[in-house]
Amino acid sequence: DAGVIQSPRHEVTEMGQEVTLRCKPISGHDYLFWYRQTMMRGLELLIYFNNNVPIDDSGMPEDRFSAKMPNASFSTLKIQPSEPRDSAVYFCASSPTGVFGYTFGSGTRLTVV
Amino acid sequence: GQSLEQPSEVTAVEGAIVQINCTYQTSGFYGLSWYQQHDGGAPTFLSYNALDGLEETGRFSSFLSRSDSYGYLLLQELQMKDSASYFCAVRDLGYKLSFGAGTTVTVRA
Repeated sequence: DAGVIQSPRHEVTEMGQEVTLRCKPISGHDYLFWYRQTMMRGLELLIYFNNNVPIDDSGMPEDRFSAKMPNASFSTLKIQPSEPRDSAVYFCASSPTGVFGYTFGSGTRLTVV
Repeated sequence: GQSLEQPSEVTAVEGAIVQINCTYQTSGFYGLSWYQQHDGGAPTFLSYNALDGLEETGRFSSFLSRSDSYGYLLLQELQMKDSASYFCAVRDLGYKLSFGAGTTVTVRA
């Protein structure tokens, strides 16, 4: 089991550019979550999917953020255009139904300059 | 919405016992979880309590009192590797987890 795989590990981009973060959940896990972590706001849930369907996107900060899950093994979080305040560590996590411990990926550290 | 309170920092010596308290206010409660996060790492799941009482997993135990909206994580026989941040999190009817701000535990020799 390779765990939850996120790419890239680090991303530095200029303000205004489009950023795409990627996540491969653990096979068989039907829940997928995107979290953002900053010193000021802690761990915030952005959006989560069940069986590839978005269930709750109330944490997505604004229209610049979008997330997709085209199949059970892949999800993306896109920021367009990026702003310096988007700088954070973005975590993807997955869980199977009936198990209440998430497995987190290693995260993507995003820096927008 | 969800609101969780936990201490920001705790310091203890190797071999000691540390208790991290967590109080919560929530519109819907289906369980309290604890996660550990080392600097630069990902949160890792430690425990989950859906019912009142104590759950023990090795050196770590977690307790829940739903009537008091309160739980704690107990770290026993502290080791240097236990230096990390610890987060409590509440689950709602779905699978949504809301995290507390975290408690930084520093273990000293």
